[in-house]
Amino acid sequence: EVQLVESGGGLVKPGRSLRLSCTASGFTFGDYAMSWFRQASGKGLEWVGFIRSKAYGGTTEYAASVRGRFTISRDDSKSIAYLQMNSLKTEDTAVYFCARERGNYFPDAFDIWGQGTMVTVSS
Amino acid sequence: QSALTQPPSASGSPGQSVTFSCTGTSSDVGGYNYVSWYQQHPGKAPKLMIYEVNKRPSGVPDRFSGSKSGNTASLTVSGLQAEDEADYYCTSYAVNNNLVFGGGTKLTVL
Repeated sequence: EVQLVESGGGLVKPGRSLRLSCTASGFTFGDYAMSWFRQASGKGLEWVGFIRSKAYGGTTEYAASVRGRFTISRDDSKSIAYLQMNSLKTEDTAVYFCARERGNYFPDAFDIWGQGTMVTVSS
Repeated sequence: QSALTQPPSASGSPGQSVTFSCTGTSSDVGGYNYVSWYQQHPGKAPKLMIYEVNKRPSGVPDRFSGSKSGNTASLTVSGLQAEDEADYYCTSYAVNNNLVFGGGTKLTVL
């Protein structure tokens, strides 16, 4: 079964860091670009960032709201994508989803999603 | 405030058709044929319904169709069913490798 499972969410104080993981199974993870999204309670979806497959350089793109604070990386040997979140703010509180990109070079359409992991930033 | 504009709500009776709009600019919707639509039920992950304006992933019923004219994309759901009640989000690729979302439309099946 093709599946993505996020983990690593929790309660963290403002200014601290947290790393989320997205573990893939059922497909060749290294062949796909991946993205992270978030959704605050009762709000809409927001794109966070994107990482290309190694075949396309493994480079990353980020939304302006997180650029410079968040970093996406991948370990194809473990089929895991990571979201490193630094200097967290209360407004980063949300459910974070990872998703598989249909294409590879730019953020476009995402056909497989994880169930999400909750991140709460509060003192 | 979302980059793409969607009406907050829509409704229809079973069997009817409903169309959602998604309005952007020439830097996103109008400039690229990379508009997607997602369905999200409460507490669940989004599901891709349409990509590249009008293409359906495998398994999505042909009751769902997409189109675009200028800076506005549309999703039409025909033959409404109770299980179609959900939130629908549009997205578009945007300049400088960005992805922008609409604020979502809540569909109520009466």
